[in-house]
Formats: sequence, C-alpha cells, structure tokens
Amino acid sequence: EDQVTQSPEALRLQEGESSSLNCSYTVSGLRGLFWYRQDPGKGPEFLFTLYSAGEEKEKERLKATLTKKESFLHITAPKPEDSATYLCAVQGAAGANSKLTFGKGITLSVRP
Amino acid sequence: EPEVTQTPSHQVTQMGQEVILRCVPISNHLYFYWYRQILGQKVEFLVSFYNNEISEKSEIFDDQFSVERPDGSNFTLKIRSTKLEDSAMYFCASHGAPPLHFGNGTRLTVT
Repeated sequence: EDQVTQSPEALRLQEGESSSLNCSYTVSGLRGLFWYRQDPGKGPEFLFTLYSAGEEKEKERLKATLTKKESFLHITAPKPEDSATYLCAVQGAAGANSKLTFGKGITLSVRP
Repeated sequence: EPEVTQTPSHQVTQMGQEVILRCVPISNHLYFYWYRQILGQKVEFLVSFYNNEISEKSEIFDDQFSVERPDGSNFTLKIRSTKLEDSAMYFCASHGAPPLHFGNGTRLTVT
C-alpha cells in the first residue's frame, strides 16, 4: 500500500526566512509525485509534478526536489501570501489514471 | 483558465437521506474522480471513472455510493443513505494528461 508522510505538521516562518518541507513516501513503482497547495475551504491547487529521482522544478519562490524516498519543497524568502497547507501525493505505476495517495499536509504560516 | 466546478458549495442533510453532489469537469478531460477530506484528515481517494465506467474504487466507496455521468458535461456522486461519518469535504477532480485538477469541493454536513 502506498504511503506518504509529511513533516513537520505545521511550520511558522518569519517573512524572508527560507525553509524546507519534507515528504517521505513508499510506493510500488512511482509514476509521479505531486505537490499541491490548499487554501482554507478550497480544493488542492496543483504546483509541481516530479517523475524521477534527481528531478527539480521551480516556480517563483518554490522549488521541489525528488529522491528515491523523499521529496522536498524549498521555500525561499517566503511572503505572507505563501501561507497555506502544502500537500504531497504519489501516484503508483498501476496506470495513467491510478489514484493519488496524499499525505496529511504541512500548514505553513508566514508572519509579516 | 478552465476549472472544475462543483455544486452546491455546502449541503446539509439529515442522516438517512440521499444526497447528490454535482461536478462539471474540465471540458476536454476524460478521467474523473471523487476524493473526500474529513476535517483535519488526509485527502482520500473514493473512485475513478473513465469511458463511462468505474476504473478503481476504494474501500470507502461501498454500496451506499454511486457515480454517474448523466450527460456530456456533468459527473455526479450519490450517497444513498447518509451517515454522520459521511460529513466531509467532497472534491471532484479531472484530467486529460496529468496533473489532476480539483474543484473547490462540496462541504457535506450530516446531522
């Protein structure tokens, strides 16, 4: 059974204070690892897909990296508008429409 | 930008009643999903749907649940006899090529 563990559960940063969010996973053949952002009362909003170890993707202040066991979401010089819950999910190799397995998420608060 | 739309945004129902949650996926997408999120817990897979049939379902998706694509645009989740533990956010999602795009959910409250 696919499993995703995210840590820490919550993170409070000062504006400009860079940090990293961790996602550890076990999956029977990784088809893709996904990062989503979720604001309160909203659905998950897609950020990145990573497919193989060593891959990196960047978007504004966010950079996602992938190893064979973990993914990191690095946040450089965060702003208050980066405050949200960040979800990590994996898709196994069963098929193009196989389910995503999510972690519990990391709630990030950025203070001005 | 095209988006997945869900109605209603909030539904309150009494235990034992039937509810239908509605979704309009992105128009050229072929794969459709329902996920749910109980307050404070993980987003959990319920069911996937492709080519007018269920592709995969979780243990949660028992005989009380059903899905339907009644026409070319809508995708529905029916819960036949709601229980208190069905209270959750229900998210519809769709994709053509990855990634999965989610709607903003229907908050179902069962009293």
